[in-house]
Amino acid sequence: SQQGEEDPQALSIQEGENATMNCSYKTSINNLQWYRQNSGRGLVHLILIRSNEREKHSGRLRVTLDTSKKSSSLLITASRAADTASYFCATDRTGANSKLTFGKGITLSVRP
Amino acid sequence: NAGVTQTPKFQVLKTGQSMTLQCAQDMNHNSMYWYRQDPGMGLRLIYYSASEGTTDKGEVPNGYNVSRLNKREFSLRLESAAPSQTSVYFCASTSWGSSYEQYFGPGTRLTVT
Repeated sequence: SQQGEEDPQALSIQEGENATMNCSYKTSINNLQWYRQNSGRGLVHLILIRSNEREKHSGRLRVTLDTSKKSSSLLITASRAADTASYFCATDRTGANSKLTFGKGITLSVRP
Repeated sequence: NAGVTQTPKFQVLKTGQSMTLQCAQDMNHNSMYWYRQDPGMGLRLIYYSASEGTTDKGEVPNGYNVSRLNKREFSLRLESAAPSQTSVYFCASTSWGSSYEQYFGPGTRLTVT
């Protein structure tokens, strides 16, 4: 069964706006990752946040993690049309032994 | 570096036919994975190999077999294809234990008629 549940399922914004995507999970984790998938391509890793971290930045990306609420958010600032893609959260569950569990993904459309 | 490569890119099979999907990585990763992606279902893990010489079932292993041929190569076999196996298949690899970031191949789009 899927560990991560992203919301919203789909998001449409104007170029230049910020995009916020959320992920909730059910069991304790070692780390949480976000991936991007452009149409027809494989997934690309964006950022990893460990269970003892609360916030992490990478360029225009900001990820937060609240282990008490079992949730994470991915913020993309000053969005561009090239950010149009599907975004997935993936969790490394405690005791899961070398595996990630992916959510169903969020489809982000950035209108020029 | 080519990263993770997969062959073929596209395949059409008839029900009951068999085929092997090939995956290779040139990043010296110890762990490799096979996923399937279906609309609205995200990625589901079929099988994985945490290290050379080991393989384990994932979430949806029925109808599939795998072989970790060596550290670089991890193949996925469909012995008797079924329409329910129509999907996009992704191979991924990582150095689990030092870096947890997974690198993905471009995918194989399989249709079973």
